[in-house]
Amino acid sequence: QKEVEQNSGPLSVPEGAIASLNCTYSDRVSQSFFWYRQYSGKSPELIMSIYSNGDKEDGRFTAQLNKASQYVSLLIRDSQPSDSATYLCAVNAKYSGGGADGLTFGKGTHLIIQP
Amino acid sequence: GAVVSQHPSRVICKSGTSVKIECRSLDFQATTMFWYRQFPKKSLMLMATSNEGSKATYEQGVEKDKFLINHASLTLSTLTVTSAHPEDSSFYICSARDTRRGSGANVLTFGAGSRLTVL
Repeated sequence: QKEVEQNSGPLSVPEGAIASLNCTYSDRVSQSFFWYRQYSGKSPELIMSIYSNGDKEDGRFTAQLNKASQYVSLLIRDSQPSDSATYLCAVNAKYSGGGADGLTFGKGTHLIIQP
Repeated sequence: GAVVSQHPSRVICKSGTSVKIECRSLDFQATTMFWYRQFPKKSLMLMATSNEGSKATYEQGVEKDKFLINHASLTLSTLTVTSAHPEDSSFYICSARDTRRGSGANVLTFGAGSRLTVL
C-alpha cells in the first residue's frame, strides 16, 4: 500500500527565513514526486516536480529527492506571508505515460509565515 | 498553461437527491481524468480514474453505483453523487494530466473544486 507521510504542523517560520518541508514515502518503486500548495478552500496548485535524486531549484523553491532514503523535501527561501498555506507532497509510482494512476497525497504540512 | 474548469464550485442539496459535478479541460484533451475527495483538514483521496470512452476505475472502498462517472468526450468528465447523504458532504476535486508539460510525466492540473453540502 502506497503511503506518503508528512508532519501536519503547523510549521511556523519568520518572514525572510528558510522554510523546510519534509515528506517520506513507502513505495520504493515511486518515480515521480510533486509538491503542491493548497490555500484554504482552494484546490492544489503545482509548485515543483522532481524525478531524479538531488536538488532542483525554481526561484525561491528547491526540491530535494533522496530515493535511497525515500525522502523528498521542499525548501522555501526568503519566506513571505503569502507562502502561508498547506503544502502537499504527492507521489506516483509510474514515470511514463503508460500508466494513468492518480497521485497519492500526504496529509499536508500547514506552513505559517510570521510577518 | 493547462486549465481545468470545474462546475459548480459550491452546491447545497437535500438528502436523497443527486448532484452532478462537471470537469472540463479547456485547452487540452484529457483521455484520463481523476476525481478526488477531501474532507476538512484531511488529504486528498483518489476516488476514481475516469477514462474517456470506457468505464471508470474506482479505488477500493468507493461505491461505483453511488459515484457515477461519465467521460463521454476528451474534454469532459462528470461525477454524479446519487442519493446524497450528509456524510457525502465534502470537497470534490477533479484533475487531468496535461502531457504537454513534460513527456511521460504525470503532471496533474486540478480544477477549482466543488464543495458539496448535503442537508
